[in-house]
Amino acid sequence: DVKVTQSSRYLVKRTGEKVFLECVQDMDHENMFWYRQDPGLGLRLIYFSYDVKMKEKGDIPEGYSVSREKKERFSLILESASTNQTSMYLCASSFLNYRDRSNSPLHFGNGTRLTVT
Amino acid sequence: AQSVTQLGSHVSVSEGALVLLRCNYSSSVPPYLFWYVQYPNQGLQLLLKYTTGATLVKGINGFEAEFKKSETSFHLTKPSAHMSDAAEYFCAVSAGYALNFGKGTSLLVTP
Repeated sequence: DVKVTQSSRYLVKRTGEKVFLECVQDMDHENMFWYRQDPGLGLRLIYFSYDVKMKEKGDIPEGYSVSREKKERFSLILESASTNQTSMYLCASSFLNYRDRSNSPLHFGNGTRLTVT
Repeated sequence: AQSVTQLGSHVSVSEGALVLLRCNYSSSVPPYLFWYVQYPNQGLQLLLKYTTGATLVKGINGFEAEFKKSETSFHLTKPSAHMSDAAEYFCAVSAGYALNFGKGTSLLVTP
């Protein structure tokens, strides 16, 4: 079974702090993703990566950056946390189906609930 | 752009009753469609997916969904609800490497 592990279940940070959310997957997946989940808004894509050192902006990248130095690890960085970034953050991974890249389901971690005060 | 709309943010059914969760999609290309379930304090788990071929797709836990191109729909059903089905359900459509998700439907199952 694919395992996607997010390093923290709960985090509390202060406004202006630099925050790192870490995610590791153990199935050698090429693709990794960061979503945020808010009540009534569903999941929204922040960033994704389809290879080491490669990244693409999603729908809501403002205020975030990412890092992928190794294939199994994808980090989400909040350069200066703000209260409107209080949310549930979900990491996911999938393999790259070279024949049909849209065909691969995402495998999710259990999420990190971040509170910024 | 590919998107999905889930009709009804909350659905309540009695134990043993039919479960019907509605999803309509919009896509400029033949869509790949997914249903995920999220139990409290957990991540999302894949229930089923439609890519090509048979339009009636069976998933885990007795759920199934039917792709209807003429109606641009991909509704999720289960003949008989169990208490353990209470969760949040998300419909999603492929968008390149990623998925675009609906806003979710919270399913409540009453005794």
